[in-house]
Amino acid sequence: QSMLTQPPSVSGAPGQRVTISCTGGSSNIEAGYDVHWYQQAPGTAPKLLIYDNMNRPSGVPDRFSGSKSGTSASLAITGLQAEDEADYYCQSYDSFVSGYVFGTGTKVTVL
Amino acid sequence: QLRLQESGPGLLKPSETLSLTCTVSGGSISSSSYYWGWVRQPPGKGLEWIASIFYSGSTYYNPSLNSRVTIFVDTSKNQFSLKLTSVTAADTAVYYCARHRLGSGWFRGPADFDYWGQGTLVAVSS
Repeated sequence: QSMLTQPPSVSGAPGQRVTISCTGGSSNIEAGYDVHWYQQAPGTAPKLLIYDNMNRPSGVPDRFSGSKSGTSASLAITGLQAEDEADYYCQSYDSFVSGYVFGTGTKVTVL
Repeated sequence: QLRLQESGPGLLKPSETLSLTCTVSGGSISSSSYYWGWVRQPPGKGLEWIASIFYSGSTYYNPSLNSRVTIFVDTSKNQFSLKLTSVTAADTAVYYCARHRLGSGWFRGPADFDYWGQGTLVAVSS
């Protein structure tokens, strides 16, 4: 049972901006634990997209950005491209379960 | 370039023990900046963290699997391994090994998974 809730799907036309929310609670995001985001294309391993709420690893385009406020975090993709079609997961630490938790996952579709 | 490679049997029978090994190349598993972890993904479902270990042996376990899971490290071989006992069909999943980076903020535990193996499918079936 995930402690981080994401919308099942979001979609947008090429060039548009989409956002994915990650809603947690007092034992994870609101408690101050950092949120990280992963992109998973079909049949491949997850790839780190954003770490520590808003930082991009080397090689990740600046079209991807992250933010965190209160009990939730968000991933924004601007200038949506066909190659962005994938599943996206947020991840954090949860003090209630004393472990690392992933979000429920969001499928991004490029129309 | 860091590379992680999972290895182990792809098919198990219910009640057997799952054993997987992750071989790390292009970097040392004895780094003080990283834990090393296992994450799994049942077919068509989301990601689930299993366990993480530091080269010194310090561990974190998913409480929901804690009683069945053991993670251990072999620094001489630059490998870490996972054992999951009494498997059932619910343990059928792609198992990934990953590097679990230590955070730099107020929380001193590991944070994000920055490098991943390609994953290995483990099926449990009679």
